[in-house]
Amino acid sequence: DAGITQSPRHKVTETGTPVTLRCHQTENHRYMYWYRQDPGHGLRLIHYSYGVKDTDKGEVSDGYSVSRSKTEDFLLTLESATSSQTSVYFCAISEQGTDTQYFGPGTRLTVL
Amino acid sequence: GENVEQHPSTLSVQEGDSAVIKCTYSDSASNYFPWYKQELGKRPQLIIDIRSNVGEKKDQRIAVTLNKTAKHFSLHITETQPEDSAVYFCAARLETGGFKTIFGAGTRLFVKA
Repeated sequence: DAGITQSPRHKVTETGTPVTLRCHQTENHRYMYWYRQDPGHGLRLIHYSYGVKDTDKGEVSDGYSVSRSKTEDFLLTLESATSSQTSVYFCAISEQGTDTQYFGPGTRLTVL
Repeated sequence: GENVEQHPSTLSVQEGDSAVIKCTYSDSASNYFPWYKQELGKRPQLIIDIRSNVGEKKDQRIAVTLNKTAKHFSLHITETQPEDSAVYFCAARLETGGFKTIFGAGTRLFVKA
């Protein structure tokens, strides 16, 4: 597996609380992505980054923000978690936008 | 918007039989089509991919075909084995708007021994 880790791996939180998920890579890849995975929907892109401090929205960005202050870290923040954000979140990386994406191990988030 | 449709959602085959999963995409600007396998509780892992300048690609028991005119592509697994049981996702990458990758909803493949 590519050098990608996600933390935490599991989290249970309450509606209205802020949550931050971290993706860390040791591959020095330029592109990083956040996806959510829900039954019947496959993987849907939330936000992605094409360099330090360079980010853009994906298909389902409402309610999420991201930051990338270092090449190796990409943070996903839920400012005020809602039950509809209960999901499995995957980070992915690629060397260039045209390259294959490799996925991290995932974070299971439950919002009660 | 951009869309990738995947069929069937569930597929059950006998060990040794072939399995075929089909996907269609909406954006003609897509030119890269990866397939991922995801075992229960694990991350998606790339198993094969194809680019738009190629019609077919094989890797041992796995093959992918692409019909750009019809905007559809398929995954073929021959001589299926129980360890092929997993969820398979197709995807299409857009070469406009930041190289976003759109995934199909997935196919759960069961291979019965």
